[in-house]
Amino acid sequence: DAGVIQSPRHEVTEMGQEVTLRCKPISGHDYLFWYRQTMMRGLELLIYFNNNVPIDDSGMPEDRFSAKMPNASFSTLKIQPSEPRDSAVYFCASSSQGAWNEQFFGPGTRLTVL
Amino acid sequence: SQQGEEDPQALSIQEGENATMNCSYKTSINNLQWYRQNSGRGLVHLILIRSNEREKHSGRLRVTLDTSKKSSSLLITASRAADTASYFCATALGDSGAGSYQLTFGKGTKLSVIP
Repeated sequence: DAGVIQSPRHEVTEMGQEVTLRCKPISGHDYLFWYRQTMMRGLELLIYFNNNVPIDDSGMPEDRFSAKMPNASFSTLKIQPSEPRDSAVYFCASSSQGAWNEQFFGPGTRLTVL
Repeated sequence: SQQGEEDPQALSIQEGENATMNCSYKTSINNLQWYRQNSGRGLVHLILIRSNEREKHSGRLRVTLDTSKKSSSLLITASRAADTASYFCATALGDSGAGSYQLTFGKGTKLSVIP
């Protein structure tokens, strides 16, 4: 079975541009999480979904960030407009055991905003 | 603020030696988990220990949990070069009132195992 799939793996964009990150969770998993990892702040939870419904978006930094999960097999994280401080590695993870049990992480998307 | 804090931040050992990493946290937890991250990769779940458990083993891994001290340790025995990675503890917290639960990760211990 394929693991969590993320695309693109690397994204370089200029400040002010819109960025869309994509995630396909493991089939059958009903929880999906978006995290951001930086050297300064470590790994931060941005938002998570249960059965395609956003449960907790308190970690979303500001209105420039939005996330959607239109169906059980696809989610997007959008940044519009992007800023250099958004540069980070963004991970998607999924789980079938709830929000506080084992999570399966994707390989991440390394975002660089110039 | 960070819930879990790993110690040390970096650890370098010779192959065959044991590696011990510690994690301290601040509030009551449901469970504590350890993850490994190889360079440029996503995190991989290693082991979960519940708040009513004190010790757990998985292969060469041994995890202890002391809820009175709000601390946990991860021991890797007979380390191998392939164990070189960053190791993170994650504490599971829940807000039943808000219906929200999450894992909060520390900043990790970077382990280097020298062949």
